[in-house]
Amino acid sequence: QLQLQESGPGLVKPSETLSLTCTASGGSISNSNYYWGWIRQPPGKGLEWIASIYYSGSAYYNSSLKSRVTISVDTSKNQFSLILNSVTAADTAVYYCARRPDISGHFDYWGQGTLVTVSS
Amino acid sequence: QSALTQPPSASGSPGQSVTISCTGTSSDIGGNKYVSWYQQHPGKAPKLMIYEVSKRPSGVPDRFSGSKSGNTASLTVSGLQAEDEADYHCTSYVGSNKFIFGSGTKVTVL
Repeated sequence: QLQLQESGPGLVKPSETLSLTCTASGGSISNSNYYWGWIRQPPGKGLEWIASIYYSGSAYYNSSLKSRVTISVDTSKNQFSLILNSVTAADTAVYYCARRPDISGHFDYWGQGTLVTVSS
Repeated sequence: QSALTQPPSASGSPGQSVTISCTGTSSDIGGNKYVSWYQQHPGKAPKLMIYEVSKRPSGVPDRFSGSKSGNTASLTVSGLQAEDEADYHCTSYVGSNKFIFGSGTKVTVL
């Protein structure tokens, strides 16, 4: 059974960089049948897709965040990561990592989520 | 691209049915079969309930059903139960490995 676990600082100062890692267990990030992604949810609001990546490194970004976001994969550690630059209070959210089967439009496994607060 | 439009809330009594709409455009919902729905209880991660408009993952009760007409997708929960009280989110593929989510609907079991 695949498990995904997000990790990273829970508090980031405005204008600084948010950095999160998702570690997979019970399954391989290198499996060619899946994409891996980040989704966030501001407090009391809906979900927002941020970015997705394939094990080969091919990356896809939400146009509204593309200038500030980088997603990367480390198959040797079975991890993928998210970097969000120049954060503001609007980036305060629960950040989830998730798996998407190839040739599909859904996310079938999710991490538990990690709250990141942007505040000085 | 703006979020898909969902009603903020919906409700029903135990045993009744509730239907949630998710409205987009021909560039998202109306343009492909990749519409999915997620259930989210407070403080928990979303759980996949419906994919490809109307398919249910293993383990999801058949009380949950999905459909689509034009640019609007719908999720129906029949025979409402107390544990169905949750937030429900729709999402659609928009091409180029990109996705858009709905604004979310809170379902209350009266």
